[in-house]
Amino acid sequence: EAGVAQSPRYKIIEKRQSVAFWCNPISGHATLYWYQQILGQGPKLLIQFQNNGVVDDSQLPKDRFSAERLKGVDSTLKIQPAKLEDSAVYLCASSLGLTAQANYGYTFGSGTRLTVV
Amino acid sequence: DAKTTQPPSMDCAEGRAANLPCNHSTISGNEYVYWYRQIHSQGPQYIIHGLKNNETNEMASLIITEDRKSSTLILPHATLRDTAVYYCIKPLSGGSYIPTFGRGTSLIVHP
Repeated sequence: EAGVAQSPRYKIIEKRQSVAFWCNPISGHATLYWYQQILGQGPKLLIQFQNNGVVDDSQLPKDRFSAERLKGVDSTLKIQPAKLEDSAVYLCASSLGLTAQANYGYTFGSGTRLTVV
Repeated sequence: DAKTTQPPSMDCAEGRAANLPCNHSTISGNEYVYWYRQIHSQGPQYIIHGLKNNETNEMASLIITEDRKSSTLILPHATLRDTAVYYCIKPLSGGSYIPTFGRGTSLIVHP
């Protein structure tokens, strides 16, 4: 079974520039998550999708971050404009569904390491 | 608010058992406890989860106290490749599984 694919693996941009990350979840997984992980901290949930609808985006800084999941499969996370404090690893994860019993399908990608200079 | 408490770091000798504790005193009756680990430069990896009974799989064992307020992840024969950050988490209430991560325990396995 293929895992969660993310690209790019690394990205360096200047502050105030824009950047986009891409995620392809495991086939058949209805739920997709984006996390931000700052160095030395645990991952922090930014947004959760169920198919192509948003379930939770309460911690997404909507003035600069946006995310979409067209057709309920792939997803993109965008930052515009980037700030220095956005430097982090952005992780995508997917699962079969929303309930705890679906956890066996909860899988993370390797992430995109963003450096804002 | 991760709602779980773990020691920031631990170390273990290779070949010995690693016992990683976690306090989750606010857990509700139908909430599972999940354990993940994150090896450097990788995304978190699922290890095991449990509700009331002790659980074992090919990676680890999970011991949950009778009052369910704490649990211990056991790696029976730690190897150098088990060096990682281990997260004990429990989902938000309402049956919706949204893993919320704290800082976890950094386990170093030494030769």
